[in-house]
Amino acid sequence: LAKTTQPISMDSYEGQEVNITCSHNNIATNDYITWYQQFPSQGPRFIIQGYKTKVTNEVASLFIPADRKSSTLSLPRVSLSDTAVYYCLVGGRNQGGKLIFGQGTELSVKP
Amino acid sequence: NAGVTQTPKFQVLKTGQSMTLQCAQDMNHEYMSWYRQDPGMGLRLIHYSVGAGITDQGEVPNGYNVSRSTTEDFPLRLLSAAPSQTSVYFCASRAGSGGYNEQFFGPGTRLTVL
Repeated sequence: LAKTTQPISMDSYEGQEVNITCSHNNIATNDYITWYQQFPSQGPRFIIQGYKTKVTNEVASLFIPADRKSSTLSLPRVSLSDTAVYYCLVGGRNQGGKLIFGQGTELSVKP
Repeated sequence: NAGVTQTPKFQVLKTGQSMTLQCAQDMNHEYMSWYRQDPGMGLRLIHYSVGAGITDQGEVPNGYNVSRSTTEDFPLRLLSAAPSQTSVYFCASRAGSGGYNEQFFGPGTRLTVL
């Protein structure tokens, strides 16, 4: 299983763009990169998933360099409601149901 | 669809008691998992299942049993509750086919063991 490393915490202000980087040096060929968001007292929810280059949806963008050893979740113009813990997961079909969460990045957005 | 449902929402147990946390999903997902989350910590995988009749251990399986007799249900049994099992328990499911499918989480069960 690919191990992931993220910053433990980050601070930002409303309206700023936030970039959270995840390192996954031993990512396997079949692995995808997925990010989840968790608000206090709730289960995590899926934000975005990618395999290579760039993926964008209505919530965020995910940038993956050619070597795929890291990825960056980009949240445009954050608001107070984006205060949450963000988890980076790396895995694929070969792992079956075994999805391991790392410690996550606690993002605090201030007014 | 109701998605992933968990019961009960809250539970208080005494040390040594046993109980079953219920989890059900109505999305016909192959894969189901149980996680625990201690205060201020990340999620740790307890047990998971890749289909009816098939279960396996995660990172922290000791003190817990699971079974998967149907696609929909994946109960988690605490054999003899201990204060160290005080935590929030999340059940999750995903489709399992394809590259890497989105995992859906239930609302959680908040368990306190006295």
